[in-house]
Amino acid sequence: EAQVTQNPRYLITVTGKKLTVTCSQNMNHEYMSWYRQDPGLGLRQIYYSMNVEVTDKGDVPEGYKVSRKEKRNFPLILESPSPNQTSLYFCASSLTGTGTYGYTFGSGTRLTVV
Amino acid sequence: GQQVMQIPQYQHVQEGEDFTTYCNSSTTLSNIQWYKQRPGGHPVFLIQLVKSGEVKKQKRLTFQFGEAKKNSSLHITATQTTDVGTYFCAPEGGSYIPTFGRGTSLIVHP
Repeated sequence: EAQVTQNPRYLITVTGKKLTVTCSQNMNHEYMSWYRQDPGLGLRQIYYSMNVEVTDKGDVPEGYKVSRKEKRNFPLILESPSPNQTSLYFCASSLTGTGTYGYTFGSGTRLTVV
Repeated sequence: GQQVMQIPQYQHVQEGEDFTTYCNSSTTLSNIQWYKQRPGGHPVFLIQLVKSGEVKKQKRLTFQFGEAKKNSSLHITATQTTDVGTYFCAPEGGSYIPTFGRGTSLIVHP
């Protein structure tokens, strides 16, 4: 089944403890992206990647890192999480960056930083 | 990313009534996509509009792209409880980076 898989689905962590949210897609998509969703603010893009080893900042990149060493994986790294990073995170992928075929989203990761 | 305003933020309707959400930009868009997110779920791609004045239909859903390619709308005829969710527009302004609007949450009362 074609899908974007995120792990974990839920995560509670403490301030300052490094964490990684994994994202993997099995559709050979070139484009991958991370979003955070907060009430009243919609989906805001954190980072995106047009292809392997090519990443760029979205609208809210502060406090996050990403890497794209393989086409299928696009992990999101929080080196020192803070409470304001408590949010619902989505990974998305598309065949091309223009999204002609739409973006496929993962099921989301609900992160709580205490 | 491309900035857009999506209105209304919330819409309550009685089942069977129609619903419309609008997505407005101050600049010309290359294309616009629409997504639906059910409560507790993830956004799901509905459609992409590319041409000026384009109109596309999916059963009870009608999507329009403005003549000037600065606005778009999603209209649902005779809403059903299964239509409940948040509808997002995601325009691209030529940089191939889609930006999502804040969404319109549709609440359907049976």
